[in-house]
Amino acid sequence: QTVVTQEPSLAVSPGGTVTLTCASNTGAVTSDYYPNWFQQKPGQAPRALIYSSSNKHSWTPARFSGSLLGGKAALTLSGVQPEDEAEYYCLLYFRDAQLWVFGGGTKLTVL
Amino acid sequence: VHLVESGGGLVRPGGSLRLSCSASEFTFSNYEMSWVRQTPGKGLEWVSYISGPGSVIHYADSVQGRFTISRDNAKNSMYLLMNSLTAEDTAVYFCARVSHEGATFDYWGQGTQVTVSS
Repeated sequence: QTVVTQEPSLAVSPGGTVTLTCASNTGAVTSDYYPNWFQQKPGQAPRALIYSSSNKHSWTPARFSGSLLGGKAALTLSGVQPEDEAEYYCLLYFRDAQLWVFGGGTKLTVL
Repeated sequence: VHLVESGGGLVRPGGSLRLSCSASEFTFSNYEMSWVRQTPGKGLEWVSYISGPGSVIHYADSVQGRFTISRDNAKNSMYLLMNSLTAEDTAVYFCARVSHEGATFDYWGQGTQVTVSS
């Protein structure tokens, strides 16, 4: 069974920088898995932030960036704003198995 | 882009339910679509995928053989027929558009609640 793992929770101060990571039990996360990142606030649908590791959607704020880091996908928030407090999910696409797998989510608290 | 789910509700274990996703403000037939569900305990789970013409379909192992995805491009709609429902299927079900770039879900509906309980 494919498992995608994220930090359950992280905290950051306003204006600070935080990095969330996304790992797979199948091995290193590479661009072949088209890593995606989503933000979800309570009562709302997920909102797409990053696709294909580091590409931003037209609506993605500049302070969000995606990368591949040490065998994991990473989402970095620089200059965190209070409105960034949310749950963040990564999503990997496993082409051979033709399925998508979400990570368990990271609850980001802005202190 | 606008996606609206409907058809959720309360159903007894073993029962069936059909969800609908109505799409607007884009050329529906040109896009692959998916269903994603969310439970409080398990977070987000991809459920099923359908290609633009409807000829390619995939399911998560957890719903394979019980759920059927389909679409009607003339009606700009996608459907999810759910049979043999169990409590583990209780979730908010979202429809999502598969982007042309990057195997991502770029637009989501607001979701419809499905509760399986006796």
